[in-house]
Amino acid sequence: EIVMTQSPATLSVSPGERATLSCRASQSVSSNLAWYQQKPGQAPKLLIYGASTRATGIPARFSGSGSGTEFTLTIDSLQSEDFAVYYCQQYTNWPPLTFGGGTKVEIK
Amino acid sequence: QVQLQESGPGLVKPSQTLSLTCTVSGGSISSGSDYWSWIRQPAGKGLEWIGRIHTSGSTNYNPSLKSRVTISVDTSKNQFSLKLNSVTAADTAVYHCARVPYCSGGTCNTGNNWFDSWGQGTLVTVSS
Repeated sequence: EIVMTQSPATLSVSPGERATLSCRASQSVSSNLAWYQQKPGQAPKLLIYGASTRATGIPARFSGSGSGTEFTLTIDSLQSEDFAVYYCQQYTNWPPLTFGGGTKVEIK
Repeated sequence: QVQLQESGPGLVKPSQTLSLTCTVSGGSISSGSDYWSWIRQPAGKGLEWIGRIHTSGSTNYNPSLKSRVTISVDTSKNQFSLKLNSVTAADTAVYHCARVPYCSGGTCNTGNNWFDSWGQGTLVTVSS
């Protein structure tokens, strides 16, 4: 099973600043990585797939990069609605499909 | 845009079977080559993939749950279902259903194993 590790667990950022979230895979997942945003009481929302392709309707301030074992989600100019928990997920070597433990982006 | 909605009992006794249904609206569950999946999330914790099904009946399960899980589909009702037997308190979680898209961004690929539409989730508590 591929283990996904996200860091940091919590990221404190001021509105308007940039947030950089990391996701590491225990073995190469090529570019088969997705990112999700989850707000309290809501379902996760797909942001990025293929490591860097934004899903339909996702603002350009969200960008994904990386391949192999190291990935980054960058959120430029954080808006109030961006404070949430973010998860990465690999889909290269499965079953099982696996998620990271999440990074909570909170208001500084 | 397809919408998904989970339904089922919110309380299940230990050793019994958890049964949930996901109703798909805004499109036919069998119109494409999409897969349909279940994912769960214990309170305050991360996401765990349970398994997925295609309308052909083809299934894939998480090895850690495979011995207890059955996912089935009813195309006439535009629904798919989850059964998890011999439940314990460790199975207490919010259960989400989700779509695994065959086509995304104009590209169709059986390797598109991410989740592009999710149900709101339903809390299932295992307790006597």
